[in-house]
Amino acid sequence: AQRVTQPEKLLSVFKGAPVELKCNYSYSGSPELFWYVQYSRQRLQLLLRHISRESIKGFTADLNKGETSFHLKKPFAQEEDSAMYYCALSPYSGAGSYQLTFGKGTKLSVIP
Amino acid sequence: ETGVTQSPTHLIKTRGQQVTLRCSSQSGHNTVSWYQQALGQGPQFIFQYYREEENGRGNFPPRFSGLQFPNYSSELNVNALELDDSALYLCASSQSRPFSTLIYEQYFGPGTRLTVT
Repeated sequence: AQRVTQPEKLLSVFKGAPVELKCNYSYSGSPELFWYVQYSRQRLQLLLRHISRESIKGFTADLNKGETSFHLKKPFAQEEDSAMYYCALSPYSGAGSYQLTFGKGTKLSVIP
Repeated sequence: ETGVTQSPTHLIKTRGQQVTLRCSSQSGHNTVSWYQQALGQGPQFIFQYYREEENGRGNFPPRFSGLQFPNYSSELNVNALELDDSALYLCASSQSRPFSTLIYEQYFGPGTRLTVT
């Protein structure tokens, strides 16, 4: 069975400081990995996925298969980054669809 | 293009009752997934429907059941409600194509808050 662990419930950083949200996973195969974000009073939305290898809103995440990690990083935090962040994993179903297993989430608070 | 919508926004039920939650997919999407999010937890996968058939199920008992209609909208039914069923229920729609190597994004609805007393 797959599992996603986000060890920090809450992470507070000052504006302009670097951010790293940790995510570790366990899965026997090759998973697809995602970061989702939920801003205050908004719905859950995809931030980025490892397969596309892109940077969204200055955030990047590298899949480390040896350490089974997919940490989310940003060099300089902005106040608008304050939100709930969820790491998620899915086995690839072969139909272009995926069934997500989420971590418990980390609340990022950026202090002005 | 309209996004994913869910109804009702919130409701209160009594233990033992039955409930039906509804979800309208985003235009052009043929796959609907349902998730349960308890307070302080991440969303937990319940099941997924693709072209009106169940296409995967999480670790939920049979009293959680679903339907997908020809217009790709969907229902989640929960029988014999228990106190632990109190949660936010999220619906997500996406586009799926068999044998595709592409990954299609899931778009989430705002959720239905269910309280069981």
